[in-house]
Amino acid sequence: EPEVTQTPSHQVTQMGQEVILRCVPISNHLYFYWYRQILGQKVEFLVSFYNNEISEKSEIFDDQFSVERPDGSNFTLKIRSTKLEDSAMYFCASSRLAGGPGANVLTFGAGSRLTVL
Amino acid sequence: DAKTTQPPSMDCAEGRAANLPCNHSTISGNEYVYWYRQIHSQGPQYIIHGLKNNETNEMASLIITEDRKSSTLILPHATLRDTAVYYCIVRVAGNTPLVFGKGTRLSVIA
Repeated sequence: EPEVTQTPSHQVTQMGQEVILRCVPISNHLYFYWYRQILGQKVEFLVSFYNNEISEKSEIFDDQFSVERPDGSNFTLKIRSTKLEDSAMYFCASSRLAGGPGANVLTFGAGSRLTVL
Repeated sequence: DAKTTQPPSMDCAEGRAANLPCNHSTISGNEYVYWYRQIHSQGPQYIIHGLKNNETNEMASLIITEDRKSSTLILPHATLRDTAVYYCIVRVAGNTPLVFGKGTRLSVIA
């Protein structure tokens, strides 16, 4: 079964450092997402991406965050200067459809755990 | 978007049906009910969705009341691997961001 692949599975970084989290969505999927989950808290939406541009973003997704689809397969989340509160599990997701009820059927990756010290 | 209410936790004996309720009394006519689950710290996993008719797939059944104000996700023969947090999400069709609540923590007991 096709899956969304995320790397690294765990990254430890120092506060203030830049971090890039990588995702390979399912190949024929059109919409891409990043969500995060701070330990013990809810899964929170960060950003959606369609047709090579941001479709929607949350208040969490401030100027420290950026997303990119540098080639036909990778989808990256960059955090420019990490803070302690960025420590979380980051999930990439993709959807095969753009529009209709099936568009909310997302396939999530296993996540990248970011620990900021 | 309609708000959903789910019990914080439930237990179910292995092999028995798990019935997970969700209240969405403010749902509007164009909103669908989606169910996802999250096993331990893994990424959420899609289970099923529906508008007004009951739906069934290989994972579960979704029963939506006639007035659409509540629904029940049914796992017909729960196994230990079904232990997870189950999320009921109401959204309009389209690529609007999913909003995850606290869900129901289902514990399947041997």
